[in-house]
Amino acid sequence: EAGVTQSPTHLIKTRGQQATLRCSPISGHTSVYWYQQALGLGLQFLLWYDEGEERNRGNFPPRFSGRQFPNYSSELNVNALELEDSALYLCASSLGIAGTGETQYFGPGTRLLVL
Amino acid sequence: GQQLNQSPQSMFIQEGEDVSMNCTSSSIFNTWLWYKQDPGEGPVLLIALYKAGELTSNGRLTAQFGITRKDSFLNISASIPSDVGIYFCAGPTNGGSQGNLIFGKGTKLSVKP
Repeated sequence: EAGVTQSPTHLIKTRGQQATLRCSPISGHTSVYWYQQALGLGLQFLLWYDEGEERNRGNFPPRFSGRQFPNYSSELNVNALELEDSALYLCASSLGIAGTGETQYFGPGTRLLVL
Repeated sequence: GQQLNQSPQSMFIQEGEDVSMNCTSSSIFNTWLWYKQDPGEGPVLLIALYKAGELTSNGRLTAQFGITRKDSFLNISASIPSDVGIYFCAGPTNGGSQGNLIFGKGTKLSVKP
């Protein structure tokens, strides 16, 4: 069974540009989560999508947005990039809500570098 | 808000030694999860704990869900070089109703052959 996949693996942008990151969940998983992992820090929750709807978002500005498609894949968009947006962006998927007995499985991440 | 505090921040041990790390919180968690992250990879779930007092093993790894629901520990016995990585504890916010997990800042493990 294929795991969570993310693309691209690396992305280099300049300040003010927009970045689009993509995630394909494990087949059959309907929930997709996005996390930001800045260098040396733990994972910070960004967004949760389930059945095509945004269910919850973390403490990030509105320029972080995304969507979930009918096939449950997801996109994370970051507008007006700032230097501190440089981080590893991790996508995870689960059958149901994380922590209710449903495990979150992570992809390898997209490393975003903002110059 | 809910926070998870992991200790130690880093450990340098000799191959073959046992390792112990823990995770504490000022608030109650109903689920404790332990993940390992290798360099350049996403976290991989090692052990999930769902009941206070629960002790669960996965090979050389053993984790316990504290009775108070405010802590958990992870032990690794007879460490080997491939145990190197960052170990994170995590738990769902507000019983899972908000969907996301809260992560500790991690314990970085280095193993000297």
